[in-house]
Amino acid sequence: GAGVSQSPRYKVAKRGQDVALRCDPISGHVSLFWYQQALGQGPEFLTYFQNEAQLDKSGLPSDRFFAERPEGSVSTLKIQRTQQEDSAVYLCASSLGRTGKDQPQHFGDGTRLSIL
Amino acid sequence: SQQGEEDPQALSIQEGENATMNCSYKTSINNLQWYRQNSGRGLVHLILIRSNEREKHSGRLRVTLDTSKKSSSLLITASRAADTASYFCATVRYSNNDMRFGAGTRLTVKP
Repeated sequence: GAGVSQSPRYKVAKRGQDVALRCDPISGHVSLFWYQQALGQGPEFLTYFQNEAQLDKSGLPSDRFFAERPEGSVSTLKIQRTQQEDSAVYLCASSLGRTGKDQPQHFGDGTRLSIL
Repeated sequence: SQQGEEDPQALSIQEGENATMNCSYKTSINNLQWYRQNSGRGLVHLILIRSNEREKHSGRLRVTLDTSKKSSSLLITASRAADTASYFCATVRYSNNDMRFGAGTRLTVKP
């Protein structure tokens, strides 16, 4: 498909487990973003990649959160030792340009993470 | 922390009516964008307005921006039931790359 693809769509994990969420951006898109969206709220910025370089990780809530994009395309968001407060929808977005400033972002449908 | 605040939080109208949603923000911006989100789906970009623009149109959408008041409005004319969704404004600052979203307006258009 031509859009941003995220997998899995739903993930249930027990507290303390590690999880990995995958994002396939639109082919050729330089910029990639991760967001966390709590129920009834807007997305909150987590981190930003330009190609393989993670240029901004100021939104990651703790050192249990780690993101990578080793080859500048697919990205993985990893959460270690999950806590109940990590339950949310995790959205990935990509945009064509080098920055997110002047271009629309294209979002995937997200991964809904539930921590029991 | 979220940058923008949408008003109202929820809006219910009849098909054919116009819907107006407002957004206020706190810091200087490079641009402001409006997105739509259907339940259980990702966000879809609607329109981008730059800080030096005052008004922009796209189909049935009209966006205004008042940088002196740090506010924007989204007008959807002749609404349809398919317009039912949550609408978010997002601001992009000059100083960094991240977009900051408000909590959104939940629009319901009754057929």
